[in-house]
Amino acid sequence: TQLLEQSPQFLSIQEGENLTVYCNSSSVFSSLQWYRQEPGEGPVLLVTVVTGGEVKKLKRLTFQFGDARKDSSLHITAAQPGDTGLYLCAGSSGAQKLVFGQGTRLTINP
Amino acid sequence: NAGVTQTPKFRILKIGQSMTLQCTQDMNHNYMYWYRQDPGMGLKLIYYSVGAGITDKGEVPNGYNVSRSTTEDFPLRLELAAPSQTSVYFCASTIPEVPDTEAFFGQGTRLTVV
Repeated sequence: TQLLEQSPQFLSIQEGENLTVYCNSSSVFSSLQWYRQEPGEGPVLLVTVVTGGEVKKLKRLTFQFGDARKDSSLHITAAQPGDTGLYLCAGSSGAQKLVFGQGTRLTINP
Repeated sequence: NAGVTQTPKFRILKIGQSMTLQCTQDMNHNYMYWYRQDPGMGLKLIYYSVGAGITDKGEVPNGYNVSRSTTEDFPLRLELAAPSQTSVYFCASTIPEVPDTEAFFGQGTRLTVV
């Protein structure tokens, strides 16, 4: 069974601070995805990383895929209240099922 | 484009009742998934399908059944509803063979079993 462990599960910080969320597994994934979910909605894709060591940036968000393709991180610079939400990592191995981590609930306080 | 459509959006069931959660997608995606999400938590995979006529169990399949007679539809069946099945259910579809493809989600079905 492929498992994805996210940490921390909850994070509450002040506006303007930086933060990093981690997604770890003992399994190798062909790709890892990060989703963000708003209350009452389904998850929406932020980014997909497919190459070991890959770094992708989306405005103030930086995503990295581990060299061994077993882990990933999401770093947010100068967090804003609009970044508040549930962040989910998800992984798949080739033509396999898509599994999710348990999520990180992020709250940015003004 | 409709994308992934789930019905109903809300439902209250009594213990022991049965129901079918409907999911349909118009993107011709081969892969479809059913997840449940408990309050404040991530998504747990119930069942998935890699194409019409093919289904497989996910992490938490007990108490559920699925079928995939067409590419478009992937209904989830609850036969004997239990309070532990109170959750929000999401259906999703994707083409994992395509690099960087995303999973598209429906709006969810909020189910309460009392």
